[in-house]
Amino acid sequence: DQQVKQNSPSLSVQEGRISILNCDYTNSMFDYFLWYKKYPAEGPTFLISISSIKDKNEDGRFTVFLNKSAKHLSLHIVPSQPGDSAVYFCAGFAVGQNFVFGPGTRLSVLP
Amino acid sequence: GAGVSQSPSNKVTEKGKDVELRCDPISGHTALYWYRQSLGQGLEFLIYFQGNSAPDKSGLPSDRFSAERTGESVSTLTIQRTQQEDSAVYLCASSLMKSSGETQYFGPGTRLLVL
Repeated sequence: DQQVKQNSPSLSVQEGRISILNCDYTNSMFDYFLWYKKYPAEGPTFLISISSIKDKNEDGRFTVFLNKSAKHLSLHIVPSQPGDSAVYFCAGFAVGQNFVFGPGTRLSVLP
Repeated sequence: GAGVSQSPSNKVTEKGKDVELRCDPISGHTALYWYRQSLGQGLEFLIYFQGNSAPDKSGLPSDRFSAERTGESVSTLTIQRTQQEDSAVYLCASSLMKSSGETQYFGPGTRLLVL
């Protein structure tokens, strides 16, 4: 059972435009959701998180939206930059349980 | 400051051999995690250490896999009698604590290839 799903394996966006990465989950017990970015040959790095009691969290060009009723969250990057090209992992966390990561979405920002 | 380090960065081994992977977490981080990322797959949880508590081994795929951690320091992941399907990137992460969803800091990973 895949608790965290990222149904788009890849996404291409023009520089300057908005990138929207989607994530769906099945575990209603998740307390936090996190987004990680991974460049080739490097470990994932934390990008932004959101608590399950919120519906939006913003940090610079990055905004995460949470729709609990739909069990859906999305990461918006605006404006997109070539340096944003990476694999983005969505993860869910429930207190007392382990982090569950999605399969990732590869974002390519085209100059 | 120093981040999470892992060694070796790459490991090629023959089927049936044992391998040992090492992780040095960030100093002061009580929580340590091992994950595996197979080609085209997401991060698969393997094992979790929290301080001196018994580790959560629920993600280990078989009894060929084991891990140790001494206190809040170095951890080693051992794979015995390696199989070709063990080929993957093995990632270690650490965090201050787990109970409040603390951000995990990942190492660069060890790329294991079993021939």
